[in-house]
Amino acid sequence: RKEVEQDPGPFNVPEGATVAFNCTYSNSASQSFFWYRQDCRKEPKLLMSVYSSGNEDGRFTAQLNRASQYISLLIRDSKLSDSATYLCVGGSGGYQKVTFGIGTKLQVIP
Amino acid sequence: DGGITQSPKYLFRKEGQNVTLSCEQNLNHDAMYWYRQDPGQGLRLIYYSQIVNDFQKGDIAEGYSVSREKKESFPLTVTSAQKNPTAFYLCASSPGLAGGSETQYFGPGTRLLVL
Repeated sequence: RKEVEQDPGPFNVPEGATVAFNCTYSNSASQSFFWYRQDCRKEPKLLMSVYSSGNEDGRFTAQLNRASQYISLLIRDSKLSDSATYLCVGGSGGYQKVTFGIGTKLQVIP
Repeated sequence: DGGITQSPKYLFRKEGQNVTLSCEQNLNHDAMYWYRQDPGQGLRLIYYSQIVNDFQKGDIAEGYSVSREKKESFPLTVTSAQKNPTAFYLCASSPGLAGGSETQYFGPGTRLLVL
């Protein structure tokens, strides 16, 4: 089993829709989690950190469920510019290395 | 502007040739990382360094070498022993222990192609 698993998609949603991605992790000792956004042929860019209490930034909300070992990303009122691949990341908290999921591709259509 | 730079953007390697990818950061970060990304796959860790003059192998270190002589620089050499080097190479840095965060920030990447 992979340490961090994501549905690769693609998720095709109409503009204005709400879409949610889940990401499961296998290491129960994981302490820190992040969502990154990666555009085609570009580097990943930090979207948001995921805290135990959840995290909201505008149209984006991230949640952590330690009991079920998954994190989620909710995007409300999808924009065409949200089209990208979203990478889920889990870390041990030991400042050593983190593990990236394969990414979930989102395509927002007009 | 603070950030991470990688050069070159594109690199062509001939069979049996060693090539070196540059990564520089001016964020004063302690930790630096090298990843490889292949189409349809996630990022795979090649090497990482938590502090100057120290580095550790990642999950796919075979055929690669690194050095960390300066805090700002973490060059990656792709040796002739790496049989399938064609990929997108990404360098990242994070504040590390001193900065109290493992949030990683990426450079723009280098695309390596084998001729």
